[in-house]
Amino acid sequence: GQQVMQIPQYQHVQEGEDFTTYCNSSTTLSNIQWYKQRPGGHPVFLIQLVKSGEVKKQKRLTFQFGEAKKNSSLHITATQTTDVGTYFCAGPPGAQKLVFGQGTRLTINP
Amino acid sequence: DTEVTQTPKHLVMGMTNKKSLKCEQHMGHRAMYWYKQKAKKPPELMFVYSYEKLSINESVPSRFSPECPNSSLLNLHLHALQPEDSALYLCASSQTGTANEKLFFGSGTQLSVL
Repeated sequence: GQQVMQIPQYQHVQEGEDFTTYCNSSTTLSNIQWYKQRPGGHPVFLIQLVKSGEVKKQKRLTFQFGEAKKNSSLHITATQTTDVGTYFCAGPPGAQKLVFGQGTRLTINP
Repeated sequence: DTEVTQTPKHLVMGMTNKKSLKCEQHMGHRAMYWYKQKAKKPPELMFVYSYEKLSINESVPSRFSPECPNSSLLNLHLHALQPEDSALYLCASSQTGTANEKLFFGSGTQLSVL
């Protein structure tokens, strides 16, 4: 079945450094979604990308969807301690379900 | 109200117990989901209800029994669980149940099976 691969698994940065996580699918995706899960919390929707080559920004977060709609990235500029958590990408292999990537766990040294 | 409410927040049960997890949303969503999440792993889909009908069962063992009494409520009945079923159980909802909709997750039930 379809897999959504996400790297890296872990990332530790100094506060103020940038952070990027990458997501790759074995098949073309109709859309990709990104979620953030704080430690001890639940996944919270961040954004959805639909169009080939789409780029969306939310303050210090930049999301990209690849031209072939098989990969995506999330880049955080100048990380802050509030960015700590696990970031998941999720893509739909079928009409009704999302498959989550393994997640990238971000920790930050203040 | 953009909340999905799950009860209880924590549950400890023995392997012979029967218990139920509950989930409620008042956003008018017509799709509700159960996910299972082990520590340091992504959420794994268990069941999807769309318009109160079970539309996806991801080959979940019969000791997990979902129920959707109406479009706002979702239950997960648990019976004869195994220790490896210990996990965070997340409920989610979306507008109609297509995969291009964002999911709203509840805060989950942390389940421990002894």
